[in-house]
Amino acid sequence: EVQLVESGGGLVQPGGSLRLSCAASGFTFNNYWMDWVRQAPGKGLVWVSHINSDGSNTTYADSVKGRFTISRDNAKNTLYLQMNSLRAEDTAVYYCARVRGLATFFDYWGQGTLVTVSS
Amino acid sequence: DIVMTQSPDSLAVSLGERATINCKSSQSVLYSSNNKNYLAWYQQKPGQPPKLLIYWASAREYGVPDRFSGSGSGTDFTLTISSLQAEDVAVYYCQQYYSTPGCSFGQGTNLEIK
Repeated sequence: EVQLVESGGGLVQPGGSLRLSCAASGFTFNNYWMDWVRQAPGKGLVWVSHINSDGSNTTYADSVKGRFTISRDNAKNTLYLQMNSLRAEDTAVYYCARVRGLATFFDYWGQGTLVTVSS
Repeated sequence: DIVMTQSPDSLAVSLGERATINCKSSQSVLYSSNNKNYLAWYQQKPGQPPKLLIYWASAREYGVPDRFSGSGSGTDFTLTISSLQAEDVAVYYCQQYYSTPGCSFGQGTNLEIK
């Protein structure tokens, strides 16, 4: 059974940093592209970042470019999102999601981890 | 950037009736090289992550009931629930992945029981 379990969310002050993790199981992690998608409270889904299967290629939404870094450790079956210079508008539930094939639609999602940026 | 616009924002349908949600993209998401529309639909229930329903505009994900169907091409797409069940109450999102890697979602349509 495919499982994605996020962790690392919490309350952080504006300007602070946080690192999210997504532990994957039930599939061959290093065969799949992975993404982060976020959802502000009561709002819609917003794509954040993408990483290919070996970690050599990453892509970011303009809103997080230069502040967030996506990475993965295929030996640990874990996806990461390092978030720096956090702003109030980064407050959201962050989901990791598995990409089906080579097209960015998402066939499995984690339950999400809440990041709250507030003083 | 490709902007996805769904209509309506909210919809109330009686049990057993048809529900139709529309999605329009600001540019075509049809790749001429493979004749595929890079469009997916998701269902999100309160407190849960999104669930994939439809991809390539009309391919139903494994395990999704056949009352869910997707149609359309180019810039205009539709998600249809042929006979609404109580468990279908949710927010529905369309997503374009023509700009892979990277994608964008519609604003969501809240589906309720009338």
